[in-house]
Amino acid sequence: DSGVTQTPKHLITATGQRVTLRCSPRSGDLSVYWYQQSLDQGLQFLIQYYNGEERAKGNILERFSAQQFPDLHSELNLSSLELGDSALYFCASSVEGQGDEQYFGPGTRLTVT
Amino acid sequence: ILNVEQSPQSLHVQEGDSTNFTCSFPSSNFYALHWYRWETAKSPEALFVMTLNGDEKKKGRISATLNTKEGYSYLYIKGSQPEDSATYLCAFEDSDTGNQFYFGTGTSLTVIP
Repeated sequence: DSGVTQTPKHLITATGQRVTLRCSPRSGDLSVYWYQQSLDQGLQFLIQYYNGEERAKGNILERFSAQQFPDLHSELNLSSLELGDSALYFCASSVEGQGDEQYFGPGTRLTVT
Repeated sequence: ILNVEQSPQSLHVQEGDSTNFTCSFPSSNFYALHWYRWETAKSPEALFVMTLNGDEKKKGRISATLNTKEGYSYLYIKGSQPEDSATYLCAFEDSDTGNQFYFGTGTSLTVIP
């Protein structure tokens, strides 16, 4: 158990809908990262937050947004969902951010039908 | 999009064999190189974070080296055991694009008892 929690574990929704994935980092970690793993692609970095501020942005679609709250938990919002958004979404956390070991949560499996 | 390559794609070894695999990454804008161990149906688990050219890190029977000038890292497993069976993933942390992470596609290791 890495200490990173993600909810929900599974989510099934229809195209066009909007969902929110939640992540609680390990106690004391200030950085949160979001990753997407699709069937046809490897692990893709989406976005990183550090202490409430966006720090780095990867291949995150405009339909997706994220934020980190004052209690350091983070949410990833996915809207206007498409079939291709079906994937495993991981959250990870680290103490500071740059060059730090990251601890991954168990992931949220999103299925868009 | 930066290219991070891992080879071989998959590997089958006998229990007790030593093995190694490669991660190749751009030699410019290097910030850090991360190695992860990813077992089926679990989350990636951090093995090493390497930041300096010539770094060598070790954790039990697993060790890694780093050459940032030529853009490669080797992961070594000494005396492979069946529990080492997993996918080994590397990720390049880029200093130029705000510390984005670029993952390789992994090396799948199967250790045959």
